[in-house]
Amino acid sequence: GESVGLHLPTLSVQEGDNSIINCAYSNSASDYFIWYKQESGKGPQFIIDIRSNMDKRQGQRVTVLLNKTVKHLSLQIAATQPGDSAVYFCAETPGTYKYIFGTGTRLKVLA
Amino acid sequence: DAGVIQSPRHEVTEMGQEVTLRCKPISGHNSLFWYRQTMMRGLELLIYFNNNVPIDDSGMPEDRFSAKMPNASFSTLKIQPSEPRDSAVYFCASSPRDRANEQFFGPGTRLTVL
Repeated sequence: GESVGLHLPTLSVQEGDNSIINCAYSNSASDYFIWYKQESGKGPQFIIDIRSNMDKRQGQRVTVLLNKTVKHLSLQIAATQPGDSAVYFCAETPGTYKYIFGTGTRLKVLA
Repeated sequence: DAGVIQSPRHEVTEMGQEVTLRCKPISGHNSLFWYRQTMMRGLELLIYFNNNVPIDDSGMPEDRFSAKMPNASFSTLKIQPSEPRDSAVYFCASSPRDRANEQFFGPGTRLTVL
């Protein structure tokens, strides 16, 4: 599959451990944030979103935290599994269709 | 449920040739997006359609690129003539009327221009 970046930051996590992927966003007017997962050879897949009136949102095994003061977003994956290995992107938008995508973080799950 | 469908999945062509990429959005979605992904620039929005009408084509690199959406279930992105620097993965995404911010991506077309 295609690689999304030769110099992507990489996070290596032991299977079963929790993963935390961080993202700094740029636009203080952004009010909607999304995390996408992209596996090799596939398109980005929606994981979880959060609006700016919240600071935390939980899904199945995933939690997104939003700190608007420092413009920081994080994705926490509980009990990381081999199938979680992928590139993870954050995206921000000021409520329009125009997403600003982060550069991505590669998550490697070690057996 | 079928997701966004793109064809071809891989395209290899020679510089100067015309390339046409195809997309079928998810049924019922009224917004469609074309993106390009490269190692250097990441994901870039090329063009956005709403109800089959091009709303924002400011991301289209130059006149060699054109996109059409003749109906709600089909869109094309054409590059004529193609150049090696157009080599990238091209994604189509669609979003539903009631969740316009949530974009569902297709599997992409990997284009290589020799």
